[in-house]
Amino acid sequence: GAVVSQHPSRVICKSGTSVKIECRSLDFQATTMFWYRQFPKQSLMLMATSNEGSKATYEQGVEKDKFLINHASLTLSTLTVTSAHPEDSSFYICSAQTSGGTDTQYFGPGTRLTVL
Amino acid sequence: AQSVTQLGSHVSVSEGALVLLRCNYSSSVPPYLFWYVQYPNQGLQLLLKYTTGATLVKGINGFEAEFKKSETSFHLTKPSAHMSDAAEYFCAVSEGGYGQNFVFGPGTRLSVLP
Repeated sequence: GAVVSQHPSRVICKSGTSVKIECRSLDFQATTMFWYRQFPKQSLMLMATSNEGSKATYEQGVEKDKFLINHASLTLSTLTVTSAHPEDSSFYICSAQTSGGTDTQYFGPGTRLTVL
Repeated sequence: AQSVTQLGSHVSVSEGALVLLRCNYSSSVPPYLFWYVQYPNQGLQLLLKYTTGATLVKGINGFEAEFKKSETSFHLTKPSAHMSDAAEYFCAVSEGGYGQNFVFGPGTRLSVLP
């Protein structure tokens, strides 16, 4: 149980285009989802916390207009990287927390974004 | 505020040897503590977690960790390393309760030598 999927697993796009990444909790309802960014050989950096039906809470230094997060249902959150640039190239990982405020985050497999 | 340190960015052990990955934390409230493993180009998989109760926690793949409040530590161990254990390991702390805002350590890369 507690499986989280991400789609796509890998995406290559041209500079200036927008890319949407989906995060789904497959067998549970997730009131809260988190989006992380991971640079090579580094730890995870929390970008934003997304609660179903409300606006995401962004960490300091993360541009909310560039990284659009939507959490429209209890099983789906999306991250859209708008007007992507090469410096946005990274590994993006989402996680989901089960309803009821339990203590564990379950992570998706990640999406590798390469912006040319 | 919480923080996590992991001593040793890279640890190498021989196959069959003891694995010890160190994690120390700071937290102003009773912490929830986690160990995750990440294989190349993959997400994170939960190995084990401590919330309350028994301080020695057993996880998957033969790993275990012990919460030591006096030492603010949550070191990860495995008696006998296997080649498949080679991966990146992350320790994380949260404030418990609703588990919001994990703080991750910098990670330790474990290499297992034949």
